[in-house]
Amino acid sequence: DAKTTQPPSMDCAEGRAANLPCNHSTISGNEYVYWYRQIHSQGPQYIIHGLKNNETNEMASLIITEDRKSSTLILPHATLRDTAVYYCIANNAGNMLTFGGGTRLMVKP
Amino acid sequence: NAGVMQNPRHLVRRRGQEARLRCSPMKGHSHVYWYRQLPEEGLKFMVYLQKENIIDESGMPKERFSAEFPKEGPSILRIQQVVRGDSAAYFCASSPPNREAYEQYFGPGTRLTVT
Repeated sequence: DAKTTQPPSMDCAEGRAANLPCNHSTISGNEYVYWYRQIHSQGPQYIIHGLKNNETNEMASLIITEDRKSSTLILPHATLRDTAVYYCIANNAGNMLTFGGGTRLMVKP
Repeated sequence: NAGVMQNPRHLVRRRGQEARLRCSPMKGHSHVYWYRQLPEEGLKFMVYLQKENIIDESGMPKERFSAEFPKEGPSILRIQQVVRGDSAAYFCASSPPNREAYEQYFGPGTRLTVT
């Protein structure tokens, strides 16, 4: 699996967009970018995934650069309930997920 | 449309006892993954199973731990002769068999405490 690099922590004001970056410069052509989050003590929650194109669902948007070496997860209107650790994972479909340290997002009122 | 179910949610065992953790995947999902999260640490992969087959057990400790996913019924993670170091949260995830990216959906976890 490609190694990913994320900032350890970020703050965001409630109601504003949260933009979480991820670097995956060694990603291979068939590896997807997945985003998960873990709210304290709960099971990780799948957010979104992408291969080449930008993706959007009811939770978030995923912007992948053209060279696929980095991506950004966007939470358009962050709420206090979005406070969590966000994990960016690059791997082949079906493989086990390798969780790094993630980004601890703190949404503040 | 129930999500991944795990039981029990909390389990207390004395050293030397056996722990059995159960995971029922989402309806229609035939792939199951087990992960362990030690206190204040990240999730670590343990084992990946499909119905009646272990696909990847590279993260499983060599002794005392076993997993199965029978044709009928939930997946079971079994820990024999538990020790205090086994105290952790154990999460199960499932993924659908015919989706391109096999995204994984996690259960709420079983918190094992060994006294």
